[in-house]
Amino acid sequence: EDKVVQSPLSLVVHEGDTVTLNCSYEVTNFRSLLWYKQEKKAPTFLFMLTSSGIEKKSGRLSSILDKKELFSILNITATQTGDSAVYLCAVPANNDMRFGAGTRLTVKP
Amino acid sequence: KAGVTQTPRYLIKTRGQQVTLSCSPISGHRSVSWYQQTPGQGLQFLFEYFSETQRNKGNFPGRFSGRQFSNSRSEMNVSTLELGDSALYLCASSSGQENTEAFFGQGTRLTVV
Repeated sequence: EDKVVQSPLSLVVHEGDTVTLNCSYEVTNFRSLLWYKQEKKAPTFLFMLTSSGIEKKSGRLSSILDKKELFSILNITATQTGDSAVYLCAVPANNDMRFGAGTRLTVKP
Repeated sequence: KAGVTQTPRYLIKTRGQQVTLSCSPISGHRSVSWYQQTPGQGLQFLFEYFSETQRNKGNFPGRFSGRQFSNSRSEMNVSTLELGDSALYLCASSSGQENTEAFFGQGTRLTVV
């Protein structure tokens, strides 16, 4: 069965820390992996990864995909309180989009 | 460019009633996907519409249905509401082509009492 597993489920850090969020997946016919940030309601798109080993970067956020080991990581450096959110990983499966349970990140001042 | 618009934002219904939610995608996008989000189950895929046809469907009972109009706007209907249908319903808009990102609306918070 297709599945997406994120870890950790929750994380509490202090401003300035660096965090690494993990997403492992098992889907048939893998095409892409997406990261979203959800603060209150609408998840906002962060990255889409299709190729292994190529880092996507946007400011303090970066992500990389390992298609051999079937996982992706999302790194956030120099965290700020505004980074507090649930980070979701999603992988298109055969007939639907599978989301992980999310990692709830709390950044304390 | 306007984002994805969902209406209404909040809704309270009683058990047994039916409800219709609306989603207007980003202009030019032809795919609309619907999701149910609950604290216990996370984000779960309901169905996807592309060019007025249901293209994919998740594992939800037949009480959950949808449709898409020629202008790509989509509606989702839930009949015979149950308490467990209380959730945040999100729709996502995309071009519908492979390997393109989807953009979410603000969601409709449905409470069934």
